[in-house]
Amino acid sequence: GAGVSQSPSNKVTEKGKDVELRCDPISGHTALYWYRQRLGQGLEFLIYFQGNSAPDKSGLPSDRFSAERTGESVSTLTIQRTQQEDSAVYLCASSLARLSDTQYFGPGTRLTVL
Amino acid sequence: KQEVTQIPAALSVPEGENLVLNCSFTDSAIYNLQWFRQDPGKGLTSLLLIQSSQREQTSGRLNASLDKSSGRSTLYIAASQPGDSATYLCAVVLFGNEKLTFGTGTRLTIIP
Repeated sequence: GAGVSQSPSNKVTEKGKDVELRCDPISGHTALYWYRQRLGQGLEFLIYFQGNSAPDKSGLPSDRFSAERTGESVSTLTIQRTQQEDSAVYLCASSLARLSDTQYFGPGTRLTVL
Repeated sequence: KQEVTQIPAALSVPEGENLVLNCSFTDSAIYNLQWFRQDPGKGLTSLLLIQSSQREQTSGRLNASLDKSSGRSTLYIAASQPGDSATYLCAVVLFGNEKLTFGTGTRLTIIP
């Protein structure tokens, strides 16, 4: 596709359930990033992939959060045993290589934990 | 720890005016700085990227400058239009660190 796509666009879940968020980066982009934006707050970095490897997981807020990437393409962010404080917009971005390249963002997934 | 601040948090100006948005960062060892706009309910759109070796970048009515030594960047918008209304975010990448550290954002409203 022409840009980064994310699914679902909206997800409402009950506290304690697991959720999976998907990101399809721009074709050919080797770097992929996940960020989180909670209501009224700035964007927080979660995790970065170079290819299928995640050299920087420093932003994952707890061990309930995990992410993987396959085929140097699609990435999935999984949140286990969701809590209300996980409610946020989860944004995915990709860039051609790393560091020097512009990051292109998807439209985000709005997660609401009841 | 890198901190990125944007002032003001909100700005309203009449259509047609030129305006400047400010971004400051505490660690000058940046690799690049990027300006984004975010429209309500939507993702981020990249506007300009300035490498650490550059002083400014221009795209249409937008001009971004970078002064690493003082830890500052500005985004200049000429002849503002109602369609420019959005939240503007600056973000920096530090050397040796792949992630973007975002500023707090400036919510811009252009009054027709």
